[in-house]
Amino acid sequence: DGGITQSPKYLFRKEGQNVTLSCEQNLNHDAMYWYRQDPGQGLRLIYYSQIVNDFQKGDIAEGYSVSREKKESFPLTVTSAQKNPTAFYLCASSFYRAGGELFFGEGSRLTVL
Amino acid sequence: QKEVEQDPGPLSVPEGAIVSLNCTYSNSAFQYFMWYRQYSRKGPELLMYTYSSGNKEDGRFTAQVDKSSKYISLFIRDSQPSDSATYLCAMSPAYSGAGSYQLTFGKGTKLSVIP
Repeated sequence: DGGITQSPKYLFRKEGQNVTLSCEQNLNHDAMYWYRQDPGQGLRLIYYSQIVNDFQKGDIAEGYSVSREKKESFPLTVTSAQKNPTAFYLCASSFYRAGGELFFGEGSRLTVL
Repeated sequence: QKEVEQDPGPLSVPEGAIVSLNCTYSNSAFQYFMWYRQYSRKGPELLMYTYSSGNKEDGRFTAQVDKSSKYISLFIRDSQPSDSATYLCAMSPAYSGAGSYQLTFGKGTKLSVIP
């Protein structure tokens, strides 16, 4: 079955540690995205990538980093510079065209202890 | 003014009721309109997709777009407890250019259908 796989589903980290969230898709989509979701805040775009080896900052990129070495993969690193990293992180993908609908993964819940 | 406004609720209705969810927007360039459903601790899933103005029906769900009023709606008939979720509207323009294919989301409306 085609889809988007995020891992891990739940993650705990201590303050000062970097952590990497995995996102893999087998939908042959061009574009991939990372969103952060907090209660009452809706979805906020962290980074997006239209093609391999290229990515752009979204609205809240500070404290995060990404890479896009393969079409299928778009990992997100939450660095120690991120002031408030506890959140629900969603990866999505789409064909990069007007009206391209997003397909989401199941999400990763990060808690900083 | 935010580009997309959506009442966060929560909205609580009895089973069998007709539910009306809506979003308003300010960007007249939006041409594609979507509704996503998100269950608790899950990723959003696409529920309805419409292009430009008009109505679209799929089972118990009807999506309406009124571009003249910059207003979109999602109606749920004969609501069921399994419809309890957060509903997010999303929209995007039709023109090309860097970043223009981004979806703009509403903040979501939390719906509870009480048996």
